Amino acid sequence: EDQVTQSPEALRLQEGESSSLNCSYTVSGLRGLFWYRQDPGKGPEFLFTLYSAGEEKEKERLKATLTKKESFLHITAPKPEDSATYLCVVGGGADGLTFGKGTHLIIQP
Amino acid sequence: ETGVTQSPTHLIKTRGQQVTLRCSSQSGHNTVSWYQQALGQGPQFIFQYYREEENGRGNFPPRFSGLQFPNYSSELNVNALELDDSALYLCASSRYSGNYGYTFGSGTRLTVV
Repeated sequence: EDQVTQSPEALRLQEGESSSLNCSYTVSGLRGLFWYRQDPGKGPEFLFTLYSAGEEKEKERLKATLTKKESFLHITAPKPEDSATYLCVVGGGADGLTFGKGTHLIIQP
Repeated sequence: ETGVTQSPTHLIKTRGQQVTLRCSSQSGHNTVSWYQQALGQGPQFIFQYYREEENGRGNFPPRFSGLQFPNYSSELNVNALELDDSALYLCASSRYSGNYGYTFGSGTRLTVV
């Protein structure tokens, strides 16, 4: 059974203060590791897919990296609009996606 | 390119009733999956439909059922509603392999009273 553990559960940063979110995963076979952003009351919004250890993807102030057991979402010089819950997800296909509980990120002006 | 559309956005039902939620998949996607998200939790996989058949299911009882139509849209039906069924129900569409990512709708907020 796939498992995903995210830390911290919540993170409060000042605007411009860089940090990283952690995702530890256990899978029988990695089909892909996904990062999503979710705003309150909305569906998850796709950010990145990573497939193999050593892979990195970037989008604006976000950078996702992958090792054999972990993924990190680095946020550089965040702005208040980056406030959201960030979800780490593995799996796919007929087994469905397995989500972590998310990291609730608050960026204070 | 249209995204995933879900209806209704909000719904209030009484315990014991039945409910149907609807989802239109993104253009070019042939697979639809449904997820239940309780408050403060990550979404939980209910089931997936491909070629109008259920081809994967999470740990949900048979009173959760679904359909997929020839245009790849889908329905989620829940019978004998329980208070614990109150949640945000999310629909996601993808190409079969899922390797190109999953597009989620904004969800239906179901409240059971």
